[in-house]
Amino acid sequence: EDQVTQSPEALRLQEGESSSLNCSYTVSGLRGLFWYRQDPGKGPEFLFTLYSAGEEKEKERLKATLTKKESFLHITAPKPEDSATYLCAGRAMEYGNKLVFGAGTILRVKS
Amino acid sequence: GAGVSQSPSNKVTEKGKDVELRCDPISGHTALYWYRQSLGQGLEFLIYFQGNSAPDKSGLPSDRFSAERTGGSVSTLTIQRTQQEDSAVYLCASSLEQGVKNIQYFGAGTRLSVL
Repeated sequence: EDQVTQSPEALRLQEGESSSLNCSYTVSGLRGLFWYRQDPGKGPEFLFTLYSAGEEKEKERLKATLTKKESFLHITAPKPEDSATYLCAGRAMEYGNKLVFGAGTILRVKS
Repeated sequence: GAGVSQSPSNKVTEKGKDVELRCDPISGHTALYWYRQSLGQGLEFLIYFQGNSAPDKSGLPSDRFSAERTGGSVSTLTIQRTQQEDSAVYLCASSLEQGVKNIQYFGAGTRLSVL
């Protein structure tokens, strides 16, 4: 049973076309929901951490939000350089300090 | 160094051979993690080191996998008698472990191909 599920698996957007990526989680005792960006051939790059429902964080064209069951990564007016795989991960009491990752969403932004 | 460093970046080996993968964490980071990323799949936890505590080995897939961390810094992941299903990208991360708010920073990974 997957504890962290991301959707969609892949998303194609036109430049400037805003959208959202979803990360739903079933882990109990969440101690943090993490978003990473991964470019081909590179390791994941940290974007955001959210700790409590209602929390929001922003960075340039990205905004992450958290509810009791899911997190959204909103991308406003994306540019081609936003193309990457976006990973979310949960950290929970039952799993100690390790992160439990979703499979990721591959985002392609065309100009 | 400025970030987590992993070597080699690519490793091609024959089935049955042993391989060693190296990770240099960010200076001052007390925690070190190994994850595995298979094609089209999410990252899978392997092992976690924190200071002088016993490592959390709960994610190691078989007894062919082992890891050590010397002097609280550099770590080596060893895979013995490699199999084709071991082919994946092996990622290392380190963090400061400041209470519940710790952020894991990743290296670029080692891409292992077992022929």
